[in-house]
Amino acid sequence: DAGVIQSPRHEVTEMGQEVTLRCKPISGHNSLFWYRQTMMRGLELLIYFNNNVPIDDSGMPEDRFSAKMPNASFSTLKIQPSEPRDSAVYFCASSTDGKLTQHFGDGTRLSIL
Amino acid sequence: GQQVMQIPQYQHVQEGEDFTTYCNSSTTLSNIQWYKQRPGGHPVFLIQLVKSGEVKKQKRLTFQFGEAKKNSSLHITATQTTDVGTYFCAMRGTSYDKVIFGPGTSLSVIP
Repeated sequence: DAGVIQSPRHEVTEMGQEVTLRCKPISGHNSLFWYRQTMMRGLELLIYFNNNVPIDDSGMPEDRFSAKMPNASFSTLKIQPSEPRDSAVYFCASSTDGKLTQHFGDGTRLSIL
Repeated sequence: GQQVMQIPQYQHVQEGEDFTTYCNSSTTLSNIQWYKQRPGGHPVFLIQLVKSGEVKKQKRLTFQFGEAKKNSSLHITATQTTDVGTYFCAMRGTSYDKVIFGPGTSLSVIP
Protein backbone atom coordinates (compact mmCIF):
# COMPACT_ATOMS: atom_id res chain seq x y z
CA ASP A 1 0.00 0.00 0.00
CA ALA A 2 1.22 3.50 -0.80
CA GLY A 3 1.94 5.59 2.23
CA VAL A 4 1.91 9.36 2.49
CA ILE A 5 3.81 10.74 -0.49
CA GLN A 6 5.71 13.99 -0.27
CA SER A 7 7.60 15.89 -2.92
CA PRO A 8 10.21 17.03 -3.41
CA ARG A 9 12.42 15.03 -1.04
CA HIS A 10 15.04 17.75 -1.02
CA GLU A 11 14.85 21.41 -1.95
CA VAL A 12 17.67 23.92 -1.96
CA THR A 13 16.85 27.46 -2.98
CA GLU A 14 17.89 31.02 -2.39
CA MET A 15 16.15 33.28 0.05
CA GLY A 16 13.31 35.27 -1.38
CA GLN A 17 12.22 32.47 -3.68
CA GLU A 18 8.82 30.83 -3.46
CA VAL A 19 8.83 27.25 -2.20
CA THR A 20 5.97 24.80 -2.68
CA LEU A 21 5.85 21.48 -0.85
CA ARG A 22 3.40 18.80 -1.91
CA CYS A 23 1.66 15.98 -0.12
CA LYS A 24 -0.57 13.12 -1.16
CA PRO A 25 -2.23 11.52 1.89
CA ILE A 26 -3.14 7.87 2.19
CA SER A 27 -6.31 7.14 0.27
CA GLY A 28 -9.32 7.16 2.58
CA HIS A 29 -7.67 9.28 5.24
CA ASN A 30 -9.67 12.42 5.99
CA SER A 31 -7.22 14.30 8.19
CA LEU A 32 -3.96 15.83 6.98
CA PHE A 33 -1.24 17.46 9.02
CA TRP A 34 1.80 19.60 8.15
CA TYR A 35 4.73 19.58 10.59
CA ARG A 36 8.09 21.32 10.68
CA GLN A 37 11.05 19.71 12.44
CA THR A 38 14.24 21.47 13.52
CA MET A 39 16.87 20.70 16.11
CA MET A 40 15.99 23.82 18.05
CA ARG A 41 12.20 23.60 18.07
CA GLY A 42 11.54 19.89 17.60
CA LEU A 43 8.41 18.71 15.81
CA GLU A 44 5.90 21.53 15.42
CA LEU A 45 2.39 21.20 14.06
CA LEU A 46 1.84 23.94 11.50
CA ILE A 47 -1.70 23.23 10.32
CA TYR A 48 -4.16 20.42 10.04
CA PHE A 49 -7.10 19.77 7.75
CA ASN A 50 -10.15 17.63 8.30
CA ASN A 51 -12.22 16.74 5.24
CA ASN A 52 -10.18 19.29 3.27
CA VAL A 53 -11.07 22.12 5.64
CA PRO A 54 -8.36 23.84 7.71
CA ILE A 55 -9.24 23.19 11.36
CA ASP A 56 -6.28 24.68 13.20
CA ASP A 57 -3.62 26.88 11.62
CA SER A 58 -2.36 28.42 14.85
CA GLY A 59 1.04 26.86 14.28
CA MET A 60 1.64 28.60 10.98
CA PRO A 61 4.62 30.87 11.69
CA GLU A 62 3.55 33.95 9.78
CA ASP A 63 1.86 35.25 6.67
CA ARG A 64 4.66 33.96 4.50
CA PHE A 65 3.32 30.46 5.05
CA SER A 66 0.10 29.23 3.46
CA ALA A 67 -1.44 25.80 3.04
CA LYS A 68 -4.20 24.49 0.83
CA MET A 69 -6.05 21.26 0.36
CA PRO A 70 -8.08 21.54 -2.84
CA ASN A 71 -9.23 17.91 -2.67
CA ALA A 72 -8.94 14.81 -0.53
CA SER A 73 -5.83 13.55 -2.27
CA PHE A 74 -3.60 16.60 -2.42
CA SER A 75 -2.25 19.38 -0.23
CA THR A 76 0.39 22.06 -0.61
CA LEU A 77 2.42 24.11 1.82
CA LYS A 78 3.80 27.30 0.32
CA ILE A 79 6.42 29.67 1.65
CA GLN A 80 6.70 33.04 -0.05
CA PRO A 81 9.16 34.67 0.27
CA SER A 82 11.42 32.06 1.83
CA GLU A 83 14.04 32.92 4.46
CA PRO A 84 17.07 31.00 5.79
CA ARG A 85 15.29 30.41 9.11
CA ASP A 86 12.67 28.38 7.22
CA SER A 87 15.30 25.66 6.67
CA ALA A 88 13.94 22.49 8.24
CA VAL A 89 12.43 19.11 7.46
CA TYR A 90 8.75 19.44 6.64
CA PHE A 91 6.57 16.40 7.24
CA CYS A 92 3.09 15.69 6.06
CA ALA A 93 0.98 13.13 7.92
CA SER A 94 -2.51 11.75 7.48
CA SER A 95 -4.99 9.81 9.57
CA THR A 96 -8.48 8.39 9.30
CA ASP A 97 -9.55 10.71 12.07
CA GLY A 98 -7.83 13.67 13.67
CA LYS A 99 -7.68 11.82 16.95
CA LEU A 100 -6.06 8.64 15.79
CA THR A 101 -2.77 7.29 14.49
CA GLN A 102 -0.88 9.57 12.15
CA HIS A 103 1.07 8.16 9.20
CA PHE A 104 3.99 10.33 8.21
CA GLY A 105 5.55 10.87 4.81
CA ASP A 106 9.31 10.76 4.30
CA GLY A 107 9.50 14.54 4.60
CA THR A 108 10.97 17.34 2.51
CA ARG A 109 14.38 18.57 3.57
CA LEU A 110 14.36 22.29 2.81
CA SER A 111 17.45 24.45 2.76
CA ILE A 112 17.17 28.17 2.17
CA LEU A 113 20.49 29.80 1.36
CA GLY B 1 -1.50 26.50 27.68
CA GLN B 2 -0.68 22.88 27.26
CA GLN B 3 2.90 21.98 28.21
CA VAL B 4 4.59 18.71 27.40
CA MET B 5 7.81 17.60 29.02
CA GLN B 6 9.82 14.59 28.05
CA ILE B 7 12.88 13.36 29.92
CA PRO B 8 15.65 12.67 29.45
CA GLN B 9 16.51 14.62 26.33
CA TYR B 10 19.34 12.22 25.48
CA GLN B 11 20.27 8.77 26.73
CA HIS B 12 23.33 6.71 25.89
CA VAL B 13 23.21 3.09 26.96
CA GLN B 14 25.32 0.01 26.50
CA GLU B 15 23.68 -2.64 24.40
CA GLY B 16 21.71 -4.93 26.70
CA GLU B 17 20.93 -2.25 29.27
CA ASP B 18 17.39 -1.05 29.90
CA PHE B 19 16.06 2.35 28.88
CA THR B 20 13.12 4.45 30.04
CA THR B 21 11.71 7.74 28.80
CA TYR B 22 9.04 9.73 30.58
CA CYS B 23 6.41 12.09 29.24
CA ASN B 24 4.56 14.57 31.45
CA SER B 25 1.65 16.87 30.75
CA SER B 26 0.45 19.90 32.67
CA THR B 27 -3.17 18.93 31.99
CA THR B 28 -5.25 15.76 31.89
CA LEU B 29 -5.04 13.85 28.65
CA SER B 30 -7.65 12.00 26.65
CA ASN B 31 -5.01 9.74 25.13
CA ILE B 32 -1.32 9.50 24.43
CA GLN B 33 0.58 8.07 21.50
CA TRP B 34 4.20 7.05 21.16
CA TYR B 35 6.25 7.37 17.98
CA LYS B 36 9.78 6.37 17.02
CA GLN B 37 11.94 8.24 14.54
CA ARG B 38 15.10 6.63 13.24
CA PRO B 39 17.97 8.97 12.28
CA GLY B 40 17.13 10.49 8.89
CA GLY B 41 13.68 8.94 8.93
CA HIS B 42 10.15 9.97 9.79
CA PRO B 43 8.11 9.38 12.95
CA VAL B 44 6.47 5.97 13.01
CA PHE B 45 3.50 5.20 15.22
CA LEU B 46 4.18 2.67 17.97
CA ILE B 47 1.12 2.60 20.22
CA GLN B 48 -1.80 4.53 21.69
CA LEU B 49 -2.89 4.48 25.33
CA VAL B 50 -6.35 5.60 26.35
CA LYS B 51 -7.29 4.21 29.75
CA SER B 52 -6.06 5.39 33.13
CA GLY B 53 -3.30 3.08 34.40
CA GLU B 54 -3.15 1.21 31.09
CA VAL B 55 -0.08 -0.93 30.39
CA LYS B 56 0.70 -2.31 26.95
CA LYS B 57 3.63 -4.40 25.76
CA GLN B 58 5.25 -4.86 22.38
CA LYS B 59 8.02 -7.44 22.68
CA ARG B 60 10.76 -5.63 24.66
CA LEU B 61 8.81 -2.35 24.86
CA THR B 62 6.43 -1.58 27.75
CA PHE B 63 4.16 1.45 27.64
CA GLN B 64 2.35 2.83 30.65
CA PHE B 65 -0.30 5.52 31.10
CA GLY B 66 -0.47 7.16 34.52
CA GLU B 67 -3.45 6.80 36.81
CA ALA B 68 -4.16 10.51 36.61
CA LYS B 69 -3.72 10.46 32.81
CA LYS B 70 -1.09 13.19 32.99
CA ASN B 71 2.02 11.13 32.37
CA SER B 72 3.30 8.16 30.48
CA SER B 73 6.44 6.10 30.17
CA LEU B 74 8.13 3.89 27.60
CA HIS B 75 10.52 1.23 28.87
CA ILE B 76 12.79 -0.86 26.67
CA THR B 77 14.27 -4.01 28.15
CA ALA B 78 17.71 -5.15 27.01
CA THR B 79 18.28 -2.53 24.34
CA GLN B 80 19.58 -3.46 20.91
CA THR B 81 21.24 -1.31 18.25
CA THR B 82 17.99 -1.41 16.31
CA ASP B 83 16.39 0.62 19.12
CA VAL B 84 18.46 3.68 18.20
CA GLY B 85 16.35 6.72 17.41
CA THR B 86 14.22 9.44 18.95
CA TYR B 87 11.11 8.49 20.87
CA PHE B 88 8.27 10.99 20.94
CA CYS B 89 5.12 11.07 22.97
CA ALA B 90 2.15 12.78 21.34
CA MET B 91 -0.61 14.04 23.55
CA ARG B 92 -4.18 15.06 23.09
CA GLY B 93 -5.83 16.87 25.97
CA THR B 94 -9.43 16.53 27.09
CA SER B 95 -10.20 20.16 26.43
CA TYR B 96 -8.60 20.63 23.05
CA ASP B 97 -8.39 18.78 19.79
CA LYS B 98 -4.80 19.34 18.73
CA VAL B 99 -2.15 16.65 19.09
CA ILE B 100 1.03 18.02 20.64
CA PHE B 101 4.33 16.19 20.29
CA GLY B 102 6.83 16.15 23.12
CA PRO B 103 10.44 17.23 22.46
CA GLY B 104 11.55 13.62 22.22
CA THR B 105 14.22 11.46 23.85
CA SER B 106 17.16 10.56 21.65
CA LEU B 107 18.49 7.07 22.39
CA SER B 108 21.98 5.92 21.45
CA VAL B 109 22.96 2.30 21.94
CA ILE B 110 26.64 1.47 22.20
CA PRO B 111 27.39 -2.01 20.83
